[in-house]
Formats: sequence, structure tokens, C-alpha cells
Amino acid sequence: ETGVTQSPTHLIKTRGQQVTLRCSSQSGHNTVSWYQQALGQGPQFIFQYYREEENGRGNFPPRFSGLQFPNYSSELNVNALELDDSALYLCASSLLRGNQETQYFGPGTRLLVL
Amino acid sequence: GENVEQHPSTLSVQEGDSAVIKCTYSDSASNYFPWYKQELGKRPQLIIDIRSNVGEKKDQRIAVTLNKTAKHFSLHITETQPEDSAVYFCAAFKGGGSYIPTFGRGTSLIVHP
Repeated sequence: ETGVTQSPTHLIKTRGQQVTLRCSSQSGHNTVSWYQQALGQGPQFIFQYYREEENGRGNFPPRFSGLQFPNYSSELNVNALELDDSALYLCASSLLRGNQETQYFGPGTRLLVL
Repeated sequence: GENVEQHPSTLSVQEGDSAVIKCTYSDSASNYFPWYKQELGKRPQLIIDIRSNVGEKKDQRIAVTLNKTAKHFSLHITETQPEDSAVYFCAAFKGGGSYIPTFGRGTSLIVHP
């Protein structure tokens, strides 16, 4: 198992609400990426944070936002939840140095939007 | 943007057979290609990866090959075992400071005892 943890493990929200998901990176890692994995699909890249700054973003609307803290833990915030936001949300930490991109995933947070 | 196609979507083999999963990518700037195994209800786990300056990499029963010219890479599993049954994902990472990873849709591998 990796040292990446996520909370909560499961969450149920209703349409229009806001949600905050949390990720604690593996020790020594300075980069965190967030992914959305719908049932039966591959992970879709949301964004990446490197040293508290956004370092890349996938094709997700602005209501998906994030933060990375000085201790390299991270949050994913989703506003105005839609039914299609129901998915497994994964974070992955890595050490971005030179060409080191190896990512280690957390166990995920399963979000259900009703 | 990058587009990663993964085939087949489902692969059924007998224990002891070999399994091959193929991925193609579109962006020649992609330079890092990991493979992940995801068991039901669990996190994706890195099983092997390859960088664009290498053509082949092996780790016991698992190997990955990369053809940069044709923009495709493949996962090879030999002597398959029932515990290899899982969903396998390929990914292509475009580097250069800020990188955007693109994952394939996954291959469900079933190894029959």
C-alpha cells in the first residue's frame, strides 16, 4: 500500500451542494494530482498542484477547484454539484523532480450526488 | 489534446497463457507511459512504466514495449495467474514542467483457473 490517504471514503450529497475532499500525500512528495473515475472508465485528470500552485489542468469546469497546503496535503472542492459528478475521486502524489513522474494513488473517495 | 486508445476492453485467458494489452497515443510530446492494475474497489497500483528513451522494460512476468514512431505501447503478462485478474489501465504523460496525463479506458483481464 502507498502512504497516500484520502477522506472521507464515501459521501452522499444532493444536486447544487458543495463538497470538499481531502488528500494526504506520501511523505516527501511535493506534487498532487486529482482524478475523477466514473464507473467503468479510466481516471480523468482534473488538475495537478506543485508546491501550492496549479501546475496543469484537464477539461473540467471552474467549479472544480483545489488547494495544496505547505505540508503538501490537498483539497478538491466541487461547487454546484451535478448528478454526473457522481464518481470515485482519486488523488495521486508524486515527486516532481527532473523526469520523476511516478504517481502513487490514494484509496479514493466515492461521491454520490442525488 | 492527447488521445489514448486501449484495446481490448475485455480479455479472457486460461491460467498459464500470455496476455497482451495495447495502447496507442496521439501526442508525440508524451514521454512517460505507466501501466496500472486496479482490482475491484481498490486504488490503481503502478505495475510497470517506461520512458520515451527506452524501447522495452521487464519485471519478472510483466513487460512493456514502446514504439515511439508508431505511437503505441503494449503490456505483456506471461504465465498468467488467477490473481492477475483485474482492470488494467495505460496512461500517457506529456512532460515539460506542467504535465497532463491521459488514461486509457481500461482492459478487464479475466484469468480462468
